[in-house]
Amino acid sequence: SALTQPPSASGSPGQSVTISCTGTRSDVAAYSYVSWYQHHPGQAPKLIIYEVTKRPSGVPDRFSGSKSGNTASLTVSGLQAEDEANYFCSSYGGDNMFYVFGTGTELTVL
Amino acid sequence: QLQLQESGPGLVRPSETLSLTCNVSGGHISTTNYFWGWVRQPPGKGPEWIATVYFSGRTHYNPSLKSRAITSVDTSKNFFSLMLTSVTAADTAVYYCTRLEWVTYGMDVWGLGIMVTVS
Repeated sequence: SALTQPPSASGSPGQSVTISCTGTRSDVAAYSYVSWYQHHPGQAPKLIIYEVTKRPSGVPDRFSGSKSGNTASLTVSGLQAEDEANYFCSSYGGDNMFYVFGTGTELTVL
Repeated sequence: QLQLQESGPGLVRPSETLSLTCNVSGGHISTTNYFWGWVRQPPGKGPEWIATVYFSGRTHYNPSLKSRAITSVDTSKNFFSLMLTSVTAADTAVYYCTRLEWVTYGMDVWGLGIMVTVS
């Protein structure tokens, strides 16, 4: 089943916000293949974190990822207006469930 | 730069088969490091992985779709496709095609998506 994320998060410009992504021992806990995506309405989703902590080229270092047990987290530091978007996580799930997404979190910059 | 573009009908009748195609441009689908995948997002809900296919034809499917989904790849024409049979209103969603890197399991390229309504 889907990874669990809070439906919403918010912060003021310049602040930091952390979004959680809770899975199970079969996906998030079992593999270091957690990814995070940023999705602005009407655009294609964008990969911003892969393998729990790594950033693709061009993604600002304000975005960082971590994992503890079956919960992964995305932290956005120094919030900017353009960070307002929907964020969702994903994980490799092995043979039973090859790939699974999170429920998505709407980030609002106040 | 590699680009993906979905195409297909925007409206499908209940019980019929949804057929979508993803055209790959700026690169070749026969690349060893990547799977090609389908993801959908129903209105107001989170994304759902549907299926992935490798250029060799090897596939993985979301068990929740109960064998209704079939994905395949055409290396000569550089596209891959999805069929979803016996659709219902619950299959109404934006459908995306994606590229999934095998080593990192990150979906690094996405199409813009196509809205499909079952009605």
